[in-house]
Amino acid sequence: GNSVTQMEGPVTLSEEAFLTINCTYTATGYPSLFWYVQYPGEGLQLLLKATKADDKGSNKGFEATYRKETTSFHLEKGSVQVSDSAVYFCALSDLSGNTGKLIFGQGTTLQVKP
Amino acid sequence: NAGVTQTPKFRILKIGQSMTLQCTQDMNHNYMYWYRQDPGMGLKLIYYSVGAGITDKGEVPNGYNVSRSTTEDFPLRLELAAPSQTSVYFCASERGTNTGELFFGEGSRLTVL
Repeated sequence: GNSVTQMEGPVTLSEEAFLTINCTYTATGYPSLFWYVQYPGEGLQLLLKATKADDKGSNKGFEATYRKETTSFHLEKGSVQVSDSAVYFCALSDLSGNTGKLIFGQGTTLQVKP
Repeated sequence: NAGVTQTPKFRILKIGQSMTLQCTQDMNHNYMYWYRQDPGMGLKLIYYSVGAGITDKGEVPNGYNVSRSTTEDFPLRLELAAPSQTSVYFCASERGTNTGELFFGEGSRLTVL
C-alpha cells in the first residue's frame, strides 16, 4: 500500500544553518505530495505542496521538489530560524478513493537553537 | 475567522465511559476528517465524510463512530473508552475537492485511565 517514510528526529540545528528533512514515499499512480508543519500546541498547517513530477513547492523560505525517479520529496531551507522549531510531516494523497485523504509520515521534530 | 473548532481541548476518561468530541467548521467545506496522533506514529485516519449524510471508515475506525448531519459539524463518538484510545485527536476539513489542502483544528487530548 501507499506509505511515507521520514528521517528520524529530532533534528537540532543552530540558527542560520541549512536544513534538510528527508522524505521518501511508496505509491501507485502519481499522488500529490505535501509538507505540513505543527507548531507546539497547535494543529497542522499546510506548508507547501507539489502535484506532479519535477514540481517545486515553496513557502516561507522552505522548498521541496517532487522527484519521481527517487520517489522523494525532501524539505529544505537555506537558513533556519528559532521560530522554525516545530514538527514537520510529509504526506501524500491517497488516490484509491474519491477524496484527497492524506497518508502521513511519522513526523520529524526540528529544534533550532539561537 | 474561526476555521475548524474542536472541543474539548483536554479530557480524562475512565475505562468504559463514553464521550463525544465536537468539531465544527465555518468554511463550507464538504470534506471533513478525523485523525488521531500518537507519539512517533504520525497521523492515522479514523473516519472521513465527503458531505452531509455521508461518512466512511478510515484506517483505524474500531471503537469510534461519527455522524454528519450538517456541512458544518462532524462529531466523533467514543462508546466504550479503552486505554488504547489515549491520543491526540485532530479534526480537519479540506478546501476544494481532492486538493489535499487540509485545515486542522487545534486538537483534543484524550487520556483514558
